[in-house]
This record gives sequence, structure tokens and C-alpha cells, in this order.
Amino acid sequence: AQKVTQAQTEISVVEKEDVTLDCVYETRDTTYYLFWYKQPPSGELVFLIRRNSFDEQNEISGRYSWNFQKSTSSFNFTITASQVVDSAVYFCALGGSNYKLTFGKGTLLTVNP
Amino acid sequence: DAGVIQSPRHEVTEMGQEVTLRCKPISGHDYLFWYRQTMMRGLELLIYFNNNVPIDDSGMPEDRFSAKMPNASFSTLKIQPSEPRDSAVYFCASSRGLAGVNEQFFGPGTRLTVL
Repeated sequence: AQKVTQAQTEISVVEKEDVTLDCVYETRDTTYYLFWYKQPPSGELVFLIRRNSFDEQNEISGRYSWNFQKSTSSFNFTITASQVVDSAVYFCALGGSNYKLTFGKGTLLTVNP
Repeated sequence: DAGVIQSPRHEVTEMGQEVTLRCKPISGHDYLFWYRQTMMRGLELLIYFNNNVPIDDSGMPEDRFSAKMPNASFSTLKIQPSEPRDSAVYFCASSRGLAGVNEQFFGPGTRLTVL
């Protein structure tokens, strides 16, 4: 069975602080895919990144970066110099041989001015 | 390119009434998914289609729920009869290629309230 754990239910930071959102996954697949989605207050889910299990290189996109570590089954997401517009619920998801996405419960990030 | 389109955006109905949610996936995408989001249960996959054929409906809560995809550009999720516990946000998503492998693109959701 696939499982995604986002242990942080809520995080609150002040603007310009760096913040890391944790994601730990469980799977028996050797080939799998990890995703992050953002759900702003408007409600729709926005795709941020996709990673396959064979690519452990860290990814950076502007203020966003992702750290994939197979040794600890983690795929953490860091926002550098956070902004109020980053306030949202962030979901980590896992896909694999069951051909579905398993989502974590999400982390509510609040960035205060 | 237009994203996933869902209608209505909000639906308020009374218990016992039939509710139909609609979805138009992104053109060219061969997978379509219906999800339900609640505070208690988070995001749940209800059913997904590949090339208009239902592949996995194990997430459909009960017989009151049904979904169809008559063609590549349209899908419906129907609840009959509706109950207050069906109140949730229902999302439609689509993807190109294997489900669980490629990113899914979500619609804006339909917020359903059953009184």
C-alpha cells in the first residue's frame, strides 16, 4: 500500500522567512513518482513539481526548492524568502504501480506580513 | 489552452434531490479523475477513466454515486439521492499518459452543499 505523511498540519511564518514542508512516503514500488501541489484560498489545486524515483537531484525553481532523499523516503519542499502569496495548503502526492495518486493530508502554510 | 472546466462552481440542494456535476477535461488528455475533498477525509479519489472507460471506481462511496464519460470531452458525476454527508468540494482532474505517473491538472472544483 502507498502512504504519504505530511506531519505538519499547520505552519505559520513571517514574510521573508524560509520554510520547509516535510513529506515522507511509503511504497514497495521501485519505480514511483512524487508530486507537490498548491491549493491557495481560491480552492483549485495547482501542480508544482513531479519527480521520478530514479532522479534524486534537487530541484530549484525561483524561490522554491525540493529535496528528494530515497534513503529517508522524503521529498521535502522549501520556500525561500516566503511571501504572503505563498499562503496556501500544500499537498505531497505519490504515484506508482497502482496507477493512482495518493495524497497526503496537506500542510496549511500561513505567511504573515 | 483552456484548463479543466467544471460546472456548476457552487451547488446548494436539499436532501433527496439529484445532483449532477459536470467536467470538461483538457483536450488531448486521456485520463479523467473525480475527487472529493472534505476536512475530515482530505482528498479522496472516487473514480477514474482512461479513454472514456471507467478503470477504477473503488472509491465511489455507495450506489448513490455514479459517473459517466460519454466522450473524450465530457464527464458527469451524479448523486441520487443526495444526503447532507455528501457536502464537499468535488474536483475533476485530467492527465495525459499513465495515471499516477504524469501530473494531473485540476479543475476549480464544485462546492456542493446538501441541506
